Amino acid sequence: RKEVEQDPGPFNVPEGATVAFNCTYSNSASQSFFWYRQDCRKEPKLLMSVYSSGNEDGRFTAQLNRASQYISLLIRDSKLSDSATYLCVVTRNDYKLSFGAGTTVTVRA
Amino acid sequence: SQTIHQWPATLVQPVGSPLSLECTVEGTSNPNLYWYRQAAGRGLQLLFYSVGIGQISSEVPQNLSASRPQDRQFILSSKKLLLSDSGFYLCAWSVSVAIEAFFGQGTRLTVV
Repeated sequence: RKEVEQDPGPFNVPEGATVAFNCTYSNSASQSFFWYRQDCRKEPKLLMSVYSSGNEDGRFTAQLNRASQYISLLIRDSKLSDSATYLCVVTRNDYKLSFGAGTTVTVRA
Repeated sequence: SQTIHQWPATLVQPVGSPLSLECTVEGTSNPNLYWYRQAAGRGLQLLFYSVGIGQISSEVPQNLSASRPQDRQFILSSKKLLLSDSGFYLCAWSVSVAIEAFFGQGTRLTVV
């Protein structure tokens, strides 16, 4: 079983729509959780950290469910510029950052 | 401010040739350093990570090796490239796995 699994998508949504997707992780000892964004042929960049209580950053909301071992990302009022691949990242205390394969989101006009 | 440099941006190499990719970090001390590979349309595969000079942890057995000769320098090498070594190689650094990792701009390697 992969350490981090994501629905690859693609999620094809119109501008203004809400899109949400999950990421599951296999190791219950995982400590820190993040969402990164990767544009085509570019390096990944941090979108937001995911905190136990859930957190929001503008139109983006992240949730963590430790009991079921998943994190989620919700994007409200989608913009064309939100089109990207969203990578789920999970870390433990052994310095490793484990990436999911990514969820592709395409926002259409 | 901290910056990460990775070069070259693009590389085309014949099968059987050697490889050396270099990554340097500026503006921080004793960073955790990482090499990842991303095959076309796939996720990031952790290849090596290092928590200090001379300390290298390998994640998958393969045709590659890594070295950290200086605190802020991380080198990915191969003696003989295979076609399957083609991919997008990314170097990254962090001060802690609990906070953000920063990536270099990547090297797109094509083995022909």
